[in-house]
Amino acid sequence: GAVVSQHPSRVICKSGTSVKIECRSLDFQATTMFWYRQFPKKSLMLMATSNEGSKATYEQGVEKDKFLINHASLTLSTLTVTSAHPEDSSFYICSAAPGGEQYFGPGTRLTVT
Amino acid sequence: AQSVTQLDSHVSVSEGTPVLLRCNYSSSYSPSLFWYVQHPNKGLQLLLKYTSAATLVKGINGFEAEFKKSETSFHLTKPSAHMSDAAEYFCVVSDPAGTYKYIFGTGTRLKVLA
Repeated sequence: GAVVSQHPSRVICKSGTSVKIECRSLDFQATTMFWYRQFPKKSLMLMATSNEGSKATYEQGVEKDKFLINHASLTLSTLTVTSAHPEDSSFYICSAAPGGEQYFGPGTRLTVT
Repeated sequence: AQSVTQLDSHVSVSEGTPVLLRCNYSSSYSPSLFWYVQHPNKGLQLLLKYTSAATLVKGINGFEAEFKKSETSFHLTKPSAHMSDAAEYFCVVSDPAGTYKYIFGTGTRLKVLA
């Protein structure tokens, strides 16, 4: 139980385009989901907290207009990287929290060329 | 404010010898603590968690951790390292105030020598 999926697992896009990453809880509902970014050989950095039916809460220093988060249902949150640039290349990981514990997705590797 | 410190960025052990990965935390509340493992280019896998029950927590793959409040520590151990244990390990403290936020340590890279 408590499986979280992400799609796509890898994506390559050109600079200036937008990319959408989906995070789904497959066998449970989650009012709260989280989005993290991980740089190579670094720890996870929390980007934002996504709450179903309301606006996401962004961490300090994260551009909300660049990283658009939508939590339209209790099983789906999306992260859209708008006007992507090479510095946005990273490993993006989501998690879902049905209660006090987070369950992590497998991550999405974004490469912007 | 809560924080977590992983004292070693890299640890090398020989196969078959014990593993010790150190983690200290700071929390104003009674914390929930977790250890996760991440293999290269993979997602996170939960090894074990402490949520104010037994102070000695047993996890998967032979790992265990002991919550020591007096030392504010939650060190991860394994009696005998296996080559497949080579990975990045993260100690995590959870915010008990209802936001469910996790605070990640900086990670410890475990290398297992043949």
